[in-house]
Amino acid sequence: DGGITQSPKYLFRKEGQNVTLSCEQNLNHDAMYWYRQDPGQGLRLIYYSQIVNDFQKGDIAEGYSVSREKKESFPLTVTSAQKNPTAFYLCASSIYEGAQANEQYFGPGTRLTVT
Amino acid sequence: QKEVEQDPGPLSVPEGAIVSLNCTYSNSAFQYFMWYRQYSRKGPELLMYTYSSGNKEDGRFTAQVDKSSKYISLFIRDSQPSDSATYLCAMKASGTYKYIFGTGTRLKVLA
Repeated sequence: DGGITQSPKYLFRKEGQNVTLSCEQNLNHDAMYWYRQDPGQGLRLIYYSQIVNDFQKGDIAEGYSVSREKKESFPLTVTSAQKNPTAFYLCASSIYEGAQANEQYFGPGTRLTVT
Repeated sequence: QKEVEQDPGPLSVPEGAIVSLNCTYSNSAFQYFMWYRQYSRKGPELLMYTYSSGNKEDGRFTAQVDKSSKYISLFIRDSQPSDSATYLCAMKASGTYKYIFGTGTRLKVLA
């Protein structure tokens, strides 16, 4: 089955700890994205990557970091510098911009709770 | 003003009704339009994708794009309780990797 997997589904951490969320896709998509979803606020873009070893900050990148060492993988690290890390995190991917098809697909999400 | 506006609802309808969900946008450069369904605590599921203007139908779902009015719609025919979810619209311009999302409309279909 082709798709996007995120792990873990639920994650609990103490304040001050860094935590890494996993995202893997086998859709052969070039672009990958991380969003944060909070109640009543919609989806906010954290980081995106168009190709391997390249990524750009989104609208709310402060306190987060990413890497893109493989086409299939785009892990997100939530650092202790992120002031309000408790949220639902969604990973997404899409085919390259030049193609006619530009749909974006989402993973199942990771719910992070920091206390 | 937000680039994409979407009524948050909730929208409650009886089973079997036709549902109309809408988004308006301000950026005339948007070319790609999507509708997602999101159940509570799940990732958004792509329902419909449309490039540029026109209509697209898939089963009980119809997506419409009116670029002259900067308005997109999703119609759900014969709505079912299982359609109860939050519906997100999204759009993108050519030459950019950034997708712009509405905040979502919560739909409740009552049995």
